[in-house]
Amino acid sequence: KQEVTQIPAALSVPEGENLVLNCSFTDSAIYNLQWFRQDPGKGLTSLLLIQSSQREQTSGRLNASLDKSSGRSTLYIAASQPGDSATYLCAISEGSEKLVFGKGTKLTVNP
Amino acid sequence: EAQVTQNPRYLITVTGKKLTVTCSQNMNHEYMSWYRQDPGLGLRQIYYSMNVEVTDKGDVPEGYKVSRKEKRNFPLILESPSPNQTSLYFCASSAKLNWEQYFGPGTRLTVT
Repeated sequence: KQEVTQIPAALSVPEGENLVLNCSFTDSAIYNLQWFRQDPGKGLTSLLLIQSSQREQTSGRLNASLDKSSGRSTLYIAASQPGDSATYLCAISEGSEKLVFGKGTKLTVNP
Repeated sequence: EAQVTQNPRYLITVTGKKLTVTCSQNMNHEYMSWYRQDPGLGLRQIYYSMNVEVTDKGDVPEGYKVSRKEKRNFPLILESPSPNQTSLYFCASSAKLNWEQYFGPGTRLTVT
């Protein structure tokens, strides 16, 4: 059974810092991996989708990498801003049925 | 604008009173699903649908029903809600092309 772990559970950084969020998974037979952002009490916003055949995806200040062999993905946020404060969720798709989510990393960027 | 909508956004109800949470998507996606999110447990799938008239159980289906009579709609039905169904519910959809999932804004349900 696929398990997804995100460490750390919470992270607080000063504005302007570059940071890395980690996601690990137990079964490398994945279809794709998605990173989401969730603001308190709100829905999930898709940030990046990496197909299993890809190694990384970039969108603006965000870069996500995928290493299936080691069961790891990282989300790199450059030049963090207070508006980046949110919970970041990693989710694995093993096929069509569902996503398996990590519990998330709560990020606080202090002005 | 491509989106997944849910209604209502907030609902407070009493034990045993049947309710329906609607979900609609305008992206012509084949796949739709429902998740619930609880503190400490994360997001867990309730039901999913691969296409019209095709539905299947997720990880936590007990106490819920769904139907998929039209491609764009996937309502979640609680026939007899109980307090342990108090949660934040999300509907999601995706196309079979790449399985990128799009989520609705969520429905916060409280059952007293």
